[in-house]
Formats: sequence, structure tokens, C-alpha cells
Amino acid sequence: AQTVTQSQPEMSVQEAETVTLSCTYDTSESDYYLFWYKQPPSRQMILVIRQEAYKQQNATENRFSVNFQKAAKSFSLKISDSQLGDAAMYFCAYRSWGGDNNNDMRFGAGTRLTVKP
Amino acid sequence: EAGVAQSPRYKIIEKRQSVAFWCNPISGHATLYWYQQILGQGPKLLIQFQNNGVVDDSQLPKDRFSAERLKGVDSTLKIQPAKLEDSAVYLCASSRGQGNINEQFFGPGTRLTVL
Repeated sequence: AQTVTQSQPEMSVQEAETVTLSCTYDTSESDYYLFWYKQPPSRQMILVIRQEAYKQQNATENRFSVNFQKAAKSFSLKISDSQLGDAAMYFCAYRSWGGDNNNDMRFGAGTRLTVKP
Repeated sequence: EAGVAQSPRYKIIEKRQSVAFWCNPISGHATLYWYQQILGQGPKLLIQFQNNGVVDDSQLPKDRFSAERLKGVDSTLKIQPAKLEDSAVYLCASSRGQGNINEQFFGPGTRLTVL
């Protein structure tokens, strides 16, 4: 079974600076999706960024980018120019490619990000 | 468009009591998911519906948990009887269809405390 590990329970960053959140995963599959979700105190999970495993190019969304290392099974999230509104729990998630009936998304335990003004 | 709605936001019950949670997905979304998020952990999928049919309920504790989506829109998740270890946030999510390219949109969740 696929597992997702986030080794940093908590991280902090100064406003306007850059922070990187780590994620590793274990799988024997060659095709899959990886996600980063943000969960603020309101609890609403919001998709931050998505990476398809077959794509070599790292995904970027404005201030958010990933470093996807398929061989190392690593998927880190970089937040540039951190803002106070970035403070939240961040979850890394894995989903198999496996067709219409395989939608089991596996989440890591999360990293709590604090942004200091 | 309106997001995924859930109610109640909070619920406190005693063990062995029953509880039900309600979810209204985004209009037009065929797929609906229920997740359990225990404090300090990531969400875990309990059950997935495609319209009004169950696609995956392999991680649903069927001796005490049940869920339905009778008309393919709203869904209800029930726990009967509740145990202390059921204390968690229950998240509902929806997507347009099945398949990996369909983004899941999450509701605000229901925080359940079992005393």
C-alpha cells in the first residue's frame, strides 16, 4: 500500500521569506498523482498544487512550486514570499493513476506552517 | 458556485449514542467522498459514491458506520453506536466525476467529540 510521510510536524517562516515543506512517499506504481493541500483553521481543505508523475517538469502555481524527484520518491513544496495568509496545515497526498475506480487518496500527517510578521 | 456544505459544524455526544452528518456537494458533482480526519493525522477515505452508487467503502467500519446518497445529491453519514475513537473531523468532498484529473473540493467538516 502507498504511504505518505511528512517528517516536519511544524515549520515557521518569516513573512516575505521562502520555506520548503518536505514529503516522501512509498509506491511501486509508475503512474500516479501527487498533491499539496492547505487546511486553514476553518478546516476547509484547499488544493494548492498538483503534479502528474509522468511529467518531468515541476508544477508551479504563482508563489507555490514543487520539487518532484521521482526516483527519490520526494515531493517538496516551496512557498516563496510567504504571506500571513499562508499559515495553515499543509498535507501532501498521493493518488494512484489506476482508472476510474481508483480514487483512494492517501494523505500524510501534515505540517503546521506558522508565518511570523 | 457554492461550495460543499456540511452540517452540523460541531457535535458532542456520549459513547453508544447515535449521530448523523449531512453533506450537500457542489451542484453537478457526480462523485462524493466522506473522509475521517483524526487529530494529528491526514484525512482517511471512508466511502466514495458515484451518483447514488457506492464505488469504494473498503475502509468504512460497517458494523457501526453507514452512509447513503439516495437521490445522487445529498449524503448522510451515520455512526451507531459511537465509540470514543470515533472522535474526529468528518470531511465531505465532491468532484465532477471519477478519475484522477477530477479535483476534489472539500467542505468545512464536522467536528465530532465522543465523551
